[in-house]
Amino acid sequence: AQSVTQPDIHITVSEGASLELRCNYSYGATPYLFWYVQSPGQGLQLLLKYFSGDTLVQGIKGFEAEFKRSQSSFNLRKPSVHWSDAAEYFCAVNNNNDMRFGAGTRLTVKP
Amino acid sequence: DTAVSQTPKYLVTQMGNDKSIKCEQNLGHDTMYWYKQDSKKFLKIMFSYNNKELIINETVPNRFSPKSPDKAHLNLHINSLELGDSAVYFCASSQDPVDEQYFGPGTRLTVT
Repeated sequence: AQSVTQPDIHITVSEGASLELRCNYSYGATPYLFWYVQSPGQGLQLLLKYFSGDTLVQGIKGFEAEFKRSQSSFNLRKPSVHWSDAAEYFCAVNNNNDMRFGAGTRLTVKP
Repeated sequence: DTAVSQTPKYLVTQMGNDKSIKCEQNLGHDTMYWYKQDSKKFLKIMFSYNNKELIINETVPNRFSPKSPDKAHLNLHINSLELGDSAVYFCASSQDPVDEQYFGPGTRLTVT
């Protein structure tokens, strides 16, 4: 079955440390890939997206993600986390007009 | 000049009642969606409309009925509310079905 997997339910990092959030998908062809962030009590906001071309994608708020076809992964990274980055992060995959979201990873930032 | 707006933001009601949630987007998008987010933050698509035509209708009870009077609006009507309907409902829109989606702020529905 087609699916989007975010293996980490909850991650805690110290402020200033680097961050990597994992996302894997299982689809036959390369789908369109997205990362969204949801702050408490808010809707989802797009961080970045990948449709084609350069596999390293830059997004807003200093985030980037790398598409690796061989690993069916689209991991999100940030070199230095800020306290305001504490939120829920969702990977999403659009395959043939069908958008599916991962279960989310909750990021906690320690002072 | 909110891009995607929903009303109400909070909705508390009793089992058995009928309620509606309204959604409007001013982005000129052709596609609109309704999602349900449960208490564990899992986000599940319910419906998708493209140019006022229903294109995705996931397995949701037929007590849920979307209505799209025009491309800028997609309302969600729920009949005979049940405890399990308690969740946050998000409306979203996109230029086309494959593109990024813009989300509304959500409507927290509590059924008592």
